[in-house]
Amino acid sequence: GESVGLHLPTLSVQEGDNSIINCAYSNSASDYFIWYKQESGKGPQFIIDIRSNMDKRQGQRVTVLLNKTVKHLSLQIAATQPGDSAVYFCAENMRALTFGSGTRLQVQP
Amino acid sequence: NAGVTQTPKFRILKIGQSMTLQCTQDMNHNYMYWYRQDPGMGLKLIYYSVGAGITDKGEVPNGYNVSRSTTEDFPLRLELAAPSQTSVYFCASRETSGRGTGELFFGEGSRLTVL
Repeated sequence: GESVGLHLPTLSVQEGDNSIINCAYSNSASDYFIWYKQESGKGPQFIIDIRSNMDKRQGQRVTVLLNKTVKHLSLQIAATQPGDSAVYFCAENMRALTFGSGTRLQVQP
Repeated sequence: NAGVTQTPKFRILKIGQSMTLQCTQDMNHNYMYWYRQDPGMGLKLIYYSVGAGITDKGEVPNGYNVSRSTTEDFPLRLELAAPSQTSVYFCASRETSGRGTGELFFGEGSRLTVL
């Protein structure tokens, strides 16, 4: 079946650097994507979403880029902080969310 | 608003026992979901509901049952617990129906261990 997946299981960055987390999807009919952040022992929290009629969407310190040609999604976090350390999931929102396995972001002081 | 509330937070079961994970939301959301998350993995959809009286299977429904008698509550039932059901279970809800709309609101999770 079709799935949403992530390229890297762990990403380590220095505090203050920018982080880029990647995601590949295979369902060409997908038209809406969400990034979630999950801190240890907690449920996922919404970060930002994007519809397929957009290429880019910006939030506070975060930017999501969508490349429909190669079915690729990325989350960029500017000036990464220790509080950004978590697992990040991209999810395809159809009738129900389909999640990838996640990327663990580790922020080094 | 309390959001999505799950109980219990932790539970240890013996093989073959039954239990119900409770989930309630006070946001009047129509859509509700149950996911399980195994260590180091993403979330797998077990069951979901688009409104009171309506439920449907997700990716991994075997070994589970659900009911949706009210808008607020969406309990998940394990009839014969097996070690493979050791996982963290998340309940979630969403306001709107249809594709491409609505953020999911998650509960804090219920950690279940089957020995």
